[in-house]
Amino acid sequence: DQQVKQNSPSLSVQEGRISILNCDYTNSMFDYFLWYKKYPAEGPTFLISISSIKDKNEDGRFTVFLNKSAKHLSLHIVPSQPGDSAVYFCAASERSNDYKLSFGAGTTVTVRA
Amino acid sequence: GAGVSQSPSNKVTEKGKDVELRCDPISGHTALYWYRQSLGQGLEFLIYFQGNSAPDKSGLPSDRFSAERTGGSVSTLTIQRTQQEDSAVYLCASKPRGRSSGNTIYFGEGSWLTVV
Repeated sequence: DQQVKQNSPSLSVQEGRISILNCDYTNSMFDYFLWYKKYPAEGPTFLISISSIKDKNEDGRFTVFLNKSAKHLSLHIVPSQPGDSAVYFCAASERSNDYKLSFGAGTTVTVRA
Repeated sequence: GAGVSQSPSNKVTEKGKDVELRCDPISGHTALYWYRQSLGQGLEFLIYFQGNSAPDKSGLPSDRFSAERTGGSVSTLTIQRTQQEDSAVYLCASKPRGRSSGNTIYFGEGSWLTVV
C-alpha cells in the first residue's frame, strides 16, 4: 500500500531551467514532509522539509510547496545545475508515528548541459 | 567517520544461504532504521529501534528477516535462507532523539545484496 506516490519516474531538464518534481500522498494524517536526494552508490541525503503548518519552504535554489487539500507537494529547483542530476525521494510522516518515514519510489532527474 | 557505516558494501550469495548485514549508526543517535530498496522501487521500511524500547518490526517482509541492536548502538540485519527476491540495497539510517531535528534521518551508503 503505497501511501506516498511519485508518478514521474524520470525528468530531463536543461541546465539553468526549472525542475519541478511532484509527489502525492493518501494518508491525511501525514504532517511532515521531506525530500531526499540520492546519487548512485550513495545513501540518500536530506535536502529540504516542510511541516503541514506551512505551504512553502525555501532553501537556496530549492523550494518545497505543500497543498494539503490536494494532498500534493512539489519540489522546485531553480536554476537546475548538472550536479542536481540524481534520484529524488519524497517522504512523509505522521505525528502519531513520527519516527516512520514513508517514501515514494523516486524521480530520476537528469540535467542536460 | 562521522556518518552511518554499513558493511559489507556488496554481497553476492547463493540462494538458500544466510546473510548478515551490519550497521554502525552515528555516535549519539538513539534511533536506528533499516530500509531496503529493490530495483525500481521506493524505500521500504523494515524495522526501527529506539533506545531500549521494543523495536517496530512491522516492515519485515517475512520471518526469514530479523534484526537486533546490541548495546543501543550497532545493529545486524539477518536474512535466513535467502531468496532471489531479497536482492536489493539494504539501507541503514539513524536519527538523534527528539523532534528538534525534524524527522531527518541520516542514511548510510547501503549494502548491495545479490542472491544468485
